[in-house]
Amino acid sequence: AQKITQTQPGMFVQEKEAVTLDCTYDTSDPSYGLFWYKQPSSGEMIFLIYQGSYDQQNATEGRYSLNFQKARKSANLVISASQLGDSAMYFCAMREIGANNLFFGTGTRLTVIP
Amino acid sequence: KAGVTQTPRYLIKTRGQQVTLSCSPISGHRSVSWYQQTPGQGLQFLFEYFSETQRNKGNFPGRFSGRQFSNSRSEMNVSTLELGDSALYLCASQEGVFAFFGQGTRLTVV
Repeated sequence: AQKITQTQPGMFVQEKEAVTLDCTYDTSDPSYGLFWYKQPSSGEMIFLIYQGSYDQQNATEGRYSLNFQKARKSANLVISASQLGDSAMYFCAMREIGANNLFFGTGTRLTVIP
Repeated sequence: KAGVTQTPRYLIKTRGQQVTLSCSPISGHRSVSWYQQTPGQGLQFLFEYFSETQRNKGNFPGRFSGRQFSNSRSEMNVSTLELGDSALYLCASQEGVFAFFGQGTRLTVV
């Protein structure tokens, strides 16, 4: 079974609007971490935001926020006030505590329209 | 602090050859992981090194190997290259739960 599912291959958003990128995960480990990365065309994976499974509050980092719904096993990324530079691939990933690797979803390509 | 440095950025190799990729992690980080990214398979974990010891390995054939030096720099080697090894190879420098990636090495096998 897929550990991370991203069901949106591509998304479009108008500049200055907010957009939500979906991510669901599957784990039986009670302790895990969820991550979002941005990958521009240059290839580098840029860390955006982290949510621990025991964190009570949703994580926020500037224009990025993570909508964490533990019972539904979802960890959606919300980007507010989209900018042209936000156009990129976005990957959701999970690390189970005790594991030394990340499991990645298939990614969502976000295009910001001027 | 300097970021994660991967060299070279681009490589073109012929089928059957071998290749070595290098990764210098963020200063002070002792854990380095390698990932392969292809359009068909997405991002897949290759292996992870901590203090010169391989701690974890993904599901890749033995042609893929790695090592880590005492200064935490890591190399990965792919022998007997196949066309399907064409990919972006990403190195991650890890501290705690966080992983910070380099720009990757784009390998093309012809």
